[in-house]
Amino acid sequence: QKEVEQNSGPLSVPEGAIASLNCTYSDRVSQSFFWYRQYSGKSPELIMSIYSNGDKEDGRFTAQLNKASQYVSLLIRDSQPSDSATYLCAVLFSGGYQKVTFGTGTKLQVIP
Amino acid sequence: DAGVIQSPRHEVTEMGQEVTLRCKPISGHDYLFWYRQTMMRGLELLIYFNNNVPIDDSGMPEDRFSAKMPNASFSTLKIQPSEPRDSAVYFCASSLQGPGTEAFFGQGTRLTVV
Repeated sequence: QKEVEQNSGPLSVPEGAIASLNCTYSDRVSQSFFWYRQYSGKSPELIMSIYSNGDKEDGRFTAQLNKASQYVSLLIRDSQPSDSATYLCAVLFSGGYQKVTFGTGTKLQVIP
Repeated sequence: DAGVIQSPRHEVTEMGQEVTLRCKPISGHDYLFWYRQTMMRGLELLIYFNNNVPIDDSGMPEDRFSAKMPNASFSTLKIQPSEPRDSAVYFCASSLQGPGTEAFFGQGTRLTVV
């Protein structure tokens, strides 16, 4: 069973702080990793993708990947109340048909 | 483009009834995915299509669930007969180049089976 694990939270951070969201996955051969944001009652939307070890930055968002530790994280700098949402980690598993498996998500609350 | 369009947005039905959910993917996207989201299990892939052909239906929970894609602009997910445990939000998503690329989600159908 290929799995993606996330802490469900909620993770509460004050406005302006760095929010750190973490995700672990079970399959060493996974190559593609995604972070989706889902506002309450809305659909998921992609905010970051990462394919190689290291950091990838996009504005206030940084995705970090460590394949040896099977760990991917998302950092949100200068957190804003509008960042309050559930963040879903997703991993593309190979072997047979390719399939993206989602974690259950971490709820982030940014306190003004 | 209007994005992925799902209908209905909300569906309440009685146990044992047939339920049909509909999806129109983004034009030009070759892949279409059906997901189910619950609090307990999160977002689960049920089935996906490539060029209207079902590729992987291993996530379909049981024979009560079926999905079709008769053409590039329309897909249905049918549950017959429905059960209370089928209550969830069902999302349709489409992507340009397959599971490893960005998926664009519809607004979802909230299904309640009573």
